[in-house]
Amino acid sequence: DAKTTQPTSMDCAEGRAANLPCNHSTISGNEYVYWYRQIHSQGPQYIIHGLKNNETNEMASLIITEDRKSSTLILPHATLRDTAVYYCIENSGGYQKVTFGTGTKLQVIP
Amino acid sequence: GAGVSQTPSNKVTEKGKYVELRCDPISGHTALYWYRQSLGQGPEFLIYFQGTGAADDSGLPNDRFFAVRPEGSVSTLKIQRTERGDSAVYLCASRRTSGGHNEQFFGPGTRLTVL
Repeated sequence: DAKTTQPTSMDCAEGRAANLPCNHSTISGNEYVYWYRQIHSQGPQYIIHGLKNNETNEMASLIITEDRKSSTLILPHATLRDTAVYYCIENSGGYQKVTFGTGTKLQVIP
Repeated sequence: GAGVSQTPSNKVTEKGKYVELRCDPISGHTALYWYRQSLGQGPEFLIYFQGTGAADDSGLPNDRFFAVRPEGSVSTLKIQRTERGDSAVYLCASRRTSGGHNEQFFGPGTRLTVL
């Protein structure tokens, strides 16, 4: 079973920031939070990951709470191409299996 | 550079038949993963290879499923005596295991339909 919980779906207006929450209350000290997204009929695509500090890259920002029990993925200016299922995952960075949940289906509305 | 490729993109077979699904990982990636994804669900882990050996096959549902990676690059997922419940998208991912972070790069998947 997935160890993270996410809302099933969200809508966001095009051009606005999309804020996708994730709860990972049982995360252990050496586990990172990874985010992937899956656009319809494609394989998942890596977005960003973090341990305890906030992270930003060309795709998104990741805000992790101080207690590390939750995080928020931020797409600063959502476009129609950002419509996808977004998965939040715990992973220690080792090579063991990764457990995906059902993710959040983000619909960007024109 | 080339990403992860999977062939065929679609496979339709009849119940009871044998199928093979192929994955070509990114060159130099030593870790390779197979997942199965049913409609409306996230990818479900099947097996992970580190080099030629299966490091974790705990996700394989039963002994009809088997995967190999004989030379540490291309991998084949083999399903014997297929059942209708095996219908799903089978995803392959590879991962560089030296330096940097440990993202997985996914292929486009093979859609398997068992009639």
